[in-house]
Amino acid sequence: GENVEQHPSTLSVQEGDSAVIKCTYSDSASNYFPWYKQELGKRPQLIIDIRSNVGEKKDQRIAVTLNKTAKHFSLHITETQPEDSAVYFCAANYQLIWGAGTKLIIKP
Amino acid sequence: NAGVTQTPKFRVLKTGQSMTLLCAQDMNHEYMYWYRQDPGMGLRLIHYSVGEGTTAKGEVPDGYNVSRLKKQNFLLGLESAAPSQTSVYFCASSYQEYYGYTFGSGTRLTVV
Repeated sequence: GENVEQHPSTLSVQEGDSAVIKCTYSDSASNYFPWYKQELGKRPQLIIDIRSNVGEKKDQRIAVTLNKTAKHFSLHITETQPEDSAVYFCAANYQLIWGAGTKLIIKP
Repeated sequence: NAGVTQTPKFRVLKTGQSMTLLCAQDMNHEYMYWYRQDPGMGLRLIHYSVGEGTTAKGEVPDGYNVSRLKKQNFLLGLESAAPSQTSVYFCASSYQEYYGYTFGSGTRLTVV
């Protein structure tokens, strides 16, 4: 079955800097890769997703890149702001096997 | 348009008691899911449904049952609660496979 590994588990960056979170997956048949943001005590919310026929997708300060050959995909957040502090989860495929999450801390 | 609504929001059960968690969505989504979230473990799929009248097992189905008698509702049952089932439970729905989820606000369940 599918397995998703997410790194790092915690990431601390200075406000205004960029943050990158990486996930690797095991099932080469996976073709849908969403990213969710979960603020403390709240529900996960979809922030961006990518399908296997696309290599990169951007939405303002957020981008996701996909390397199907290497079986990894990454979340890029530029010009980080305090409101970006949260736990970010990656997932693979429609049954959504989830990564364990990355706690992103934005230092003022 | 309420999205996905979960009830109850909080519950404390004694070991061996039973309960049902209700998930309702008003977006006409085909797919519905139940996840549990434990600290440091991300979300784990319990059961899911790809349409009215269908259910299927996820990663951690033991100790839980589900039913989807109506398209808009997905019920999660615990027949005999155990302390290991203490967790936050999230329901989610999606339009189809390969589409993002909309989550409910969660149910915090404690089994003592």
